[in-house]
Amino acid sequence: QVQLVESGGGVVQPGRSLRLSCAASGFTFSNFGMHWVRQAPGKGLEWVGVIWSDGSNKYYADSVKGRFTISRDNSKNTLYLQMNSLRVEDTGVYYCAKNNWPHYCDYWGQGTLVTVSS
Amino acid sequence: QSALTQPASVSGSPGQSITISCTGTSSDVGGYNYVSWFQQHPGKAPKLMIYEVSNRPSGVSNRFSGSKSGNSASLTISGLQTEDEADYYCSSYTSSSTLVFGGGTKLTVL
Repeated sequence: QVQLVESGGGVVQPGRSLRLSCAASGFTFSNFGMHWVRQAPGKGLEWVGVIWSDGSNKYYADSVKGRFTISRDNSKNTLYLQMNSLRVEDTGVYYCAKNNWPHYCDYWGQGTLVTVSS
Repeated sequence: QSALTQPASVSGSPGQSITISCTGTSSDVGGYNYVSWFQQHPGKAPKLMIYEVSNRPSGVSNRFSGSKSGNSASLTISGLQTEDEADYYCSSYTSSSTLVFGGGTKLTVL
């Protein structure tokens, strides 16, 4: 069965960096695009970005463009989200989600909490 | 990348039917048949309920159905059950090769 496990969340000061990981199992990771989606406390879902199966293309939400970078290591079945220049408004639960062809998220991890605070 | 528009809340009694709307533009909902719906219970991860406007994943009750007309999509839940009480989000692919979510709708089963 598909399993996605996020890690790397924690408390970080504004302006600092953090890297999240998402370990995937139960499917052929290298065949599928992967998304990051976040949810601020008490708020709705916000799409963060996507990376294609081979890492050749990446797309980001305007709110994180230039600060966040999505990458993947298909040999380790792991997805990453490098978050730089963090802001208070980046606080929330970050989910990784598997893309199913062509354009929808079919499986989600349980999320990891990122808190940006001084 | 403006969020899709959903009503903040809807409610219904057990056994009744409700519909949640999701309004976008011709650059997202209206331009593609790539609308999805997700159910989220408090403290839990979202769960896919509908994909590509009207398709149900294996294991999702046939009480859930989706449709689209123009720039708006809808999720209908028939025969409401107490366990349907949750937050519901729509999502659409966009012309910028991104995804966009709706603001979410809280469903209360009275």
